[in-house]
Amino acid sequence: AQSVAQPEDQVNVAEGNPLTVKCTYSVSGNPYLFWYVQYPNRGLQFLLKYITGDNLVKGSYGFEAEFNKSQTSFHLKKPSALVSDSALYFCAVSNSGNTPLVFGKGTRLSVIA
Amino acid sequence: KAGVTQTPRYLIKTRGQQVTLSCSPISGHRSVSWYQQTPGQGLQFLFEYFSETQRNKGNFPGRFSGRQFSNSRSEMNVSTLELGDSALYLCASSPRGAGDVGELFFGEGSRLTVL
Repeated sequence: AQSVAQPEDQVNVAEGNPLTVKCTYSVSGNPYLFWYVQYPNRGLQFLLKYITGDNLVKGSYGFEAEFNKSQTSFHLKKPSALVSDSALYFCAVSNSGNTPLVFGKGTRLSVIA
Repeated sequence: KAGVTQTPRYLIKTRGQQVTLSCSPISGHRSVSWYQQTPGQGLQFLFEYFSETQRNKGNFPGRFSGRQFSNSRSEMNVSTLELGDSALYLCASSPRGAGDVGELFFGEGSRLTVL
């Protein structure tokens, strides 16, 4: 069975500083990895995905994520955080097109001005 | 294109009642998934429908059911509501066909409160 761990419930970062939101996964076979963001009282919005190819994936709003197979990680990064990046971030994994996405419990990012 | 539309957005029920939630996917999307989101458990997968057939089912009791219509619209039903069913129910559609991997497009959710 696949699973996702987001080890930090909360990440605080100062505006303008780089941010990292951590994600590790467990899956049999090839992983398909996703990041989503959720703003208050809203649904989830897709940020980026890794299916195959380059280990560094670039997504929306300046976010990027690095796939590391040996460490089974897919950390989300941004070089310079904005206050508007404050939200709840979810990592998700699947191992095929026939299995549902499994989500982590989420990490709340707070960017302080 | 219009996004995923969920109705109602908010509803309050009492224990023992039943509820039906509706989801209209993005036009052309044939896959619809449902998730339950609670503060303690995060997002838990309920079920996925593709072309009116349930393709996957999560680990929820039989009180939770769903269906998909020929126009890809989907409904989920929860019978004999319990306090623990209070949650945000999220619907997501995807353009993926059988065997494809693609991102999910989420609606804004239906927030159910059970008193």
